[in-house]
Amino acid sequence: DQQVKQNSPSLSVQEGRISILNCDYTNSMFDYFLWYKKYPAEGPTFLISISSIKDKNEDGRFTVFLNKSAKHLSLHIVPSQPGDSAVYFCAASPRRGSQGNLIFGKGTKLSVKP
Amino acid sequence: DGGITQSPKYLFRKEGQNVTLSCEQNLNHDAMYWYRQDPGQGLRLIYYSQIVNDFQKGDIAEGYSVSREKKESFPLTVTSAQKNPTAFYLCASRFDSYNSPLHFGNGTRLTVT
Repeated sequence: DQQVKQNSPSLSVQEGRISILNCDYTNSMFDYFLWYKKYPAEGPTFLISISSIKDKNEDGRFTVFLNKSAKHLSLHIVPSQPGDSAVYFCAASPRRGSQGNLIFGKGTKLSVKP
Repeated sequence: DGGITQSPKYLFRKEGQNVTLSCEQNLNHDAMYWYRQDPGQGLRLIYYSQIVNDFQKGDIAEGYSVSREKKESFPLTVTSAQKNPTAFYLCASRFDSYNSPLHFGNGTRLTVT
């Protein structure tokens, strides 16, 4: 049973527009959430995170929103650039259990067209 | 430069052979992890270790073994018992805190024929 779901396998956006990547989770024990970006044949790189005590965290062009009641988070990229084309993974961490290991979604492949 | 080094980048083996993937980190991280990535599957946890000489099974540990004799090193052995060993293997590490992000190596692509 998937605890972290990214329901859109792919997303295509025009350069300069907003990219919105979505993630849903089922475990109410999750209270720390992260987004990773991955290029082909490379390891994922950490992008941005958010704790459950917040509903928004911003870092430059990247903003993550958390809706705890809906068990939903989203990553906004504004403006989108061709270099943002990659696979984006959502991950969640429980405060207790599994020693805080991250649970990953299956990823969303973002394509930003020039 | 601090980081995680996985070697080799590409590895080819014949079916029935054990193979060991290397992972070294100089970030002074306490915890180390091995993940496997298959197309459309995301990242699945194989093994993790929070401290030297101790490790725990992840979600898909069958057919794999690990050791953690040094803080910096966490090698993964893919044994002949692993039914589908061809995959992209990622090593990661982090400080042992629930809100510490994982840092990943660049992966090893293992192909078994």
